[in-house]
Amino acid sequence: SQTIHQWPATLVQPVGSPLSLECTVEGTSNPNLYWYRQAAGRGLQLLFYSVGIGQISSEVPQNLSASRPQDRQFILSSKKLLLSDSGFYLCAWSGVAGGRTDTQYFGPGTRLTVL
Amino acid sequence: GQQVMQIPQYQHVQEGEDFTTYCNSSTTLSNIQWYKQRPGGHPVFLIQLVKSGEVKKQKRLTFQFGEAKKNSSLHITATQTTDVGTYFCAGRWGAQKLVFGQGTRLTINP
Repeated sequence: SQTIHQWPATLVQPVGSPLSLECTVEGTSNPNLYWYRQAAGRGLQLLFYSVGIGQISSEVPQNLSASRPQDRQFILSSKKLLLSDSGFYLCAWSGVAGGRTDTQYFGPGTRLTVL
Repeated sequence: GQQVMQIPQYQHVQEGEDFTTYCNSSTTLSNIQWYKQRPGGHPVFLIQLVKSGEVKKQKRLTFQFGEAKKNSSLHITATQTTDVGTYFCAGRWGAQKLVFGQGTRLTINP
């Protein structure tokens, strides 16, 4: 069966510090991968998605970046965090878009607080 | 880009009352999915609707897809405290990626 891991679970970082959040998927090959951000009490904002190694699409211009160095690894980074980067970061994977396997499966999330 | 509008944003009910959330798209959807996010948790897939006029049930939850495939609803009969959370619809147009609605947060007074 497939599983998705995210770490860390919680993170408190000062403004201006770097960020690296990691997401890994097990039990599937060539998944579509997604990074979402959710502000407190709000909806899901799609940040990045990837259909393959090294292929990243950005949805929202900001000071965040994403990379996919391996098939089942997705990393969210920032060189300098802003207060507005605080939120709940969710990684998700899915099968081929439009196919029967396009359900998105979410990881447990990372709760980031920037002070 | 394409959007799904979801209403209401918040709903507070007494335990035992019914609850409904609605999603609308201005253009025809290929399919629509529903997810539930418990407080402090992550979204979990509930169901996918594909066919025009489709109705699916999961215990006290009834999901409908409109005849024109532009709207969908989730109805919960006789809510229980375990139903608390945020319910998201997510629509797809063709082979495009899934687009999530803003969610409806359900709170329940026991």
